Amino acid sequence: GESVGLHLPTLSVQEGDNSIINCAYSNSASDYFIWYKQESGKGPQFIIDIRSNMDKRQGQRVTVLLNKTVKHLSLQIAATQPGDSAVYFCAEKRRGGADGLTFGKGTHLIIQP
Amino acid sequence: DAGVIQSPRHEVTEMGQEVTLRCKPISGHNSLFWYRQTMMRGLELLIYFNNNVPIDDSGMPEDRFSAKMPNASFSTLKIQPSEPRDSAVYFCASREKQGRPQHFGDGTRLSIL
Repeated sequence: GESVGLHLPTLSVQEGDNSIINCAYSNSASDYFIWYKQESGKGPQFIIDIRSNMDKRQGQRVTVLLNKTVKHLSLQIAATQPGDSAVYFCAEKRRGGADGLTFGKGTHLIIQP
Repeated sequence: DAGVIQSPRHEVTEMGQEVTLRCKPISGHNSLFWYRQTMMRGLELLIYFNNNVPIDDSGMPEDRFSAKMPNASFSTLKIQPSEPRDSAVYFCASREKQGRPQHFGDGTRLSIL
């Protein structure tokens, strides 16, 4: 069935470097995408979202890019800090469909000192 | 501001027992979602409510699962009878309105022995 997937289960970067977490989706009917950060023992924390009528959206130290042609979503984190270590999930909502989100499997981001 | 509040944080019980998980959404949010997270299946939507009315329960695994939302500030997810395969972390999320991100509680870690 259609699903949201991630290319890399684990990503290790040096503190201060930029991180890029990728996500591939297969449902062309999706119109809303969202990134969450989950730390151990906590619930997913909202980072940034983007609608399908946009290609790029920036937040504080984060940028989300959406490439609808190849059904690809990425999260860029600038100048990573130790507190950025977590599992990152992308999620999608289908246009006109139910409001629940379909989540990817997650990428574990590890920040090396 | 208070986020989504879930209780209990941890629950350990024997199979066959009834389990009730509780959720208080963020005040003013009109949608509430229940998710389940396991290592094998990741985050999966179970059911969601709009204005206290169940909209989509297609993710509820079996008749042993039921959810209610008697008012705008409280929801329960009940499992009766519980089975070991129900062991997971159960998350509740709420949303202000359509098009806005969902905000998650810190979950209930459920272990069925």
